[in-house]
Order: sequence, then C-alpha cells, then structure tokens
Amino acid sequence: AAGVIQSPRHLIKEKRETATLKCYPIPRHDTVYWYQQGPGQDPQFLISFYEKMQSDKGSIPDRFSAQQFSDYHSELNMSSLELGDSALYFCASSLGGGAQETQYFGPGTRLLVL
Amino acid sequence: SQQGEEDPQALSIQEGENATMNCSYKTSINNLQWYRQNSGRGLVHLILIRSNEREKHSGRLRVTLDTSKKSSSLLITASRAADTASYFCATDAIKAAGNKLTFGGGTRVLVKP
Repeated sequence: AAGVIQSPRHLIKEKRETATLKCYPIPRHDTVYWYQQGPGQDPQFLISFYEKMQSDKGSIPDRFSAQQFSDYHSELNMSSLELGDSALYFCASSLGGGAQETQYFGPGTRLLVL
Repeated sequence: SQQGEEDPQALSIQEGENATMNCSYKTSINNLQWYRQNSGRGLVHLILIRSNEREKHSGRLRVTLDTSKKSSSLLITASRAADTASYFCATDAIKAAGNKLTFGGGTRVLVKP
C-alpha cells in the first residue's frame, strides 16, 4: 500500500539559509500534519491542514510557513535557519480532519543546520 | 509538562519475554495511539484505541486504556529482537478543531537475543 512520501530525506543547510520540505500524503487522504522531532525528544506538532486550509497550529516558529496544495501535497518552508532547527521533520496524513482517524507518518526529513 | 508521559523510559528484556510500558496523559481524549520508532527513523502506527474502549489486541500487542486514571499500557508478548525500538503513545485531545497528536516521552525497548 502507498505510504506518505517525504522529500528530501536528508538536507544539510547553513545558518540563515532557507529550506523547503515536501510531503505527499497517502492517496485520498485530505489532511496533513507536520511534526518536528529534535534529537532524543518526542515529536512536537507544528501545523496541520485539512482540505487545503490550516486546521491547527502548534509550536511553529514565525520563520516557518506551510501550505497544502490542490493535489493535497504540502510544503513546509523554513527561513533564516538556526542551529536549533536541526531535527527530524515528519509529515503525517489522515483521511478526514476529524477525530479518531489514524495518522500515518512518512519516513521523515532529517535536517542538519551547520 | 507534556500531555503524555511514559514509564519506564527504558526497558531491557530477553527475547521471548513480555514487555510492558505505560503512558499517562492529562486532558480528555478522543483516542490514544501507540507508535514504534526504530532508531532515528519513521513512526510506525501500531494500534489506536478509542476513548470508549478499554482493551484492544493486535497480534502480539495488547493495549489497555483507563480514562478514569488517564493512562494506557502497551504489552508486547513473546518479544523478538526485531521489537527493539522506541515506543510512543500519542493522544488526540478533544477540542473544537484540529486533530493534532501529543506524544509522550517514549520508552526505549531493547530485546536481547
């Protein structure tokens, strides 16, 4: 079965650079979530979209923005990168924006900021 | 502190033994999900238990949920070396909009062959 696809899988950037992470949800899934997992930490919710509209916002820095496109894929744009942004970034998708829906996670994008 | 917290933080067992880990949370939830993460890799969904369910089984996994105590447990029976991973519980709090998951601290399980 098709899974959530994230690209790139690994990314190395310098401080103050920008990065764009992409997420392709499972076919027919209309809801996308972004999570950040720092080294040795739990995943932390950043932002979510349902039917191309932002549905919830977590601890996402103002330097980050995201959107969901007409084909339901999503992009997380990160600007003015800081060393502390180095983390594993997960995208998850589900069918329907309501509760009690399983979120399926992608393999993650490992971002290293030097 | 975090919505979900796990106990123990680390667990080392022999292959064939059972592994039990617990998760506590703070707010009312719609459901609780357990995920497995191999070292630095993706989160694999294991099982979802709804707030009106008390116990659920999936293969060698058994999950319980006690909403009165705001806690859940995950039991892995007859463990295998391949079960070595970190296990996270994640809760989906009742709220007006959005369906974000709040993760617990994770339990690192080492299954020795």
